[in-house]
Amino acid sequence: DGGITQSPKYLFRKEGQNVTLSCEQNLNHDAMYWYRQDPGQGLRLIYYSQIVNDFQKGDIAEGYSVSREKKESFPLTVTSAQKNPTAFYLCASSIPLDSGGPNTDTQYFGPGTRLTVL
Amino acid sequence: GDSVTQMEGPVTLSEEAFLTINCTYTATGYPSLFWYVQYPGEGLQLLLKATKADDKGSNKGFEATYRKETTSFHLEKGSVQVSDSAVYFCALSPDSNYQLIWGAGTKLIIKP
Repeated sequence: DGGITQSPKYLFRKEGQNVTLSCEQNLNHDAMYWYRQDPGQGLRLIYYSQIVNDFQKGDIAEGYSVSREKKESFPLTVTSAQKNPTAFYLCASSIPLDSGGPNTDTQYFGPGTRLTVL
Repeated sequence: GDSVTQMEGPVTLSEEAFLTINCTYTATGYPSLFWYVQYPGEGLQLLLKATKADDKGSNKGFEATYRKETTSFHLEKGSVQVSDSAVYFCALSPDSNYQLIWGAGTKLIIKP
């Protein structure tokens, strides 16, 4: 089955530690995204990547870093510079607009990772 | 800039009631419009979408019509079930790029 996987589902981190969240997709999508969701709030874009070896900052990139070495993978590192990292993190992917077709602007989501800083 | 405004929640209804969750948007051009649903502790799932004016998206008994004249995309369902309890997000895709612009989400609670 095609889809997006995120691991782990729950993650605990001590203050001052970096931690990396995994996101893998086998949908053959070029574009991938990371969002942060805080309780009772909407989604805020952290980083996105349109193509391998390229990525752009979203609205709240400070304290986060990403890499896109493979089409299937878009890991997110939450660094110690992120002052309030406890949140639910969602990864998504999509087909770029310029690919054509009816679903080029639809994002498909993974199940999320809940990060708690102790 | 582009934006999406949803009605504040929580919305609490009894089972079999009629549901409307309002969504209005501000955008230039001709964006696509989406409703996503998030069940507790899970990621978001696409519920329905519409890509042009007067299109109606539908899925699982939910419907929404793209109204350009009122810049709205209200979500409706004729008879809700307890299993519809979730958070519903309205979003738009500007035609200038493929980032999604998100509403704040509306929590729906259905009581038996």
